[in-house]
Parts: sequence; C-alpha cells; structure tokens
Amino acid sequence: DVKVTQSSRYLVKRTGEKVFLECVQDMDHENMFWYRQDPGLGLRLIYFSYDVKMKEKGDIPEGYSVSREKKERFSLILESASTNQTSMYLCASSPQVHEQYFGPGTRLTVT
Amino acid sequence: QKEVEQDPGPLSVPEGAIVSLNCTYSNSAFQYFMWYRQYSRKGPELLMYTYSSGNKEDGRFTAQVDKSSKYISLFIRDSQPSDSATYLCAMKDSGAGSYQLTFGKGTKLSVIP
Repeated sequence: DVKVTQSSRYLVKRTGEKVFLECVQDMDHENMFWYRQDPGLGLRLIYFSYDVKMKEKGDIPEGYSVSREKKERFSLILESASTNQTSMYLCASSPQVHEQYFGPGTRLTVT
Repeated sequence: QKEVEQDPGPLSVPEGAIVSLNCTYSNSAFQYFMWYRQYSRKGPELLMYTYSSGNKEDGRFTAQVDKSSKYISLFIRDSQPSDSATYLCAMKDSGAGSYQLTFGKGTKLSVIP
C-alpha cells in the first residue's frame, strides 16, 4: 500500500510566522504535489515536483515555496503566514500524474 | 466557462439505491478521467481511472466516459452507508510535459440506512 504521511494533522500559527509542512512518501514516486482545499473552491495546486530538486509552480504559488532535497520528502513553506492561508493542505505523490495518492491533510489555522 | 463542472449536491439516497455522479468538461484534450473519494477530514483516495472513452467496472463501481459529449459518470450500485463521502472527478490531458490534474469541486453523497 502506498503511504503518504504529513507532519501534522492540525496546526495553529500566528500571522507572520514561517510555517513548514512536511510530506513523506514511501513508494519511490517521482512526482509529488501540494494542494490546498477550501470550501467552494475545491482542490487547487500550489506547487509540484517531478524530480529531486525540481519544482514547478501550480495555479496559486504566491506566498508559498517548496523544497525537495530527497526523493521521498517534499516540503511546503509559508514564508510569512497570513490569515488567508488558513486552509486544508494536502500532499500527494504519484508514479504517473493521473494516479495520485494523497496524504491525510494538515488543517492549518493562521490567527 | 469553468473547465470541469460538477454538481456539489448534497445528494441523499436510501441504502441500496443506484447512484449516478457526473461531471462535464470543456477541454477536448483531456484523455485521463479519474474519480476520487474523500471521507470527511481525510485526503482523497483514487477510486478508478479511465483512459479515453468507454466504461470501466470495479465491483459496485462503474466509470463511464463519453468524449463526444464531454461527460463522465460514476455509477455506484447497491449503495451502502460507507459510500457516504465527497466524490471528486479529475481529468488530465495526455501531453508528456503535463503534470496537472483538473479537479471538479466534488459532490457530497449521503447514503441513508
């Protein structure tokens, strides 16, 4: 079974803090993704990576950065958290882009 | 026009009913069609995917793609309370450098015992 784990299920941070969300997959997948999910807006792609040290912007990269130093780990960084970044953050990995396996999600609240 | 349209529901059916979930799309380049199921407070899980047109069956689930109408469906037979979840359709074109899925916003399904 594919396993995608995320570092926290729930996180509360203050405005202006730097926030790190970690994602680890155990299936040697090339591709990894970060999404956010908001009511009424659905899933929106923030960043993705198709290889170690490679990254590409998705639809809503502003205010975020990513890091992929090892194949199994993909980190999402909120440089200076703002209240409009309160959301559910979902990481996914995939051997092929159409076959994505999601982690359990991190519900981030920025106050 | 949004690329993928999906009725958000909620859809409420009695146990044992046949459920039909649908998405329409506008991009004729889409070739991969996926259905994901998401339980409350969990990440989506891939249910099925279909390449190009046609039907695919997996147990009580059948995915159907009609590219001429730009319409995809997921049928659930003999629905169970455990099928209560949000169902997301997703699509992708076949381009080699294409890494993004386009998701519908999901339909929330409740199966009442």
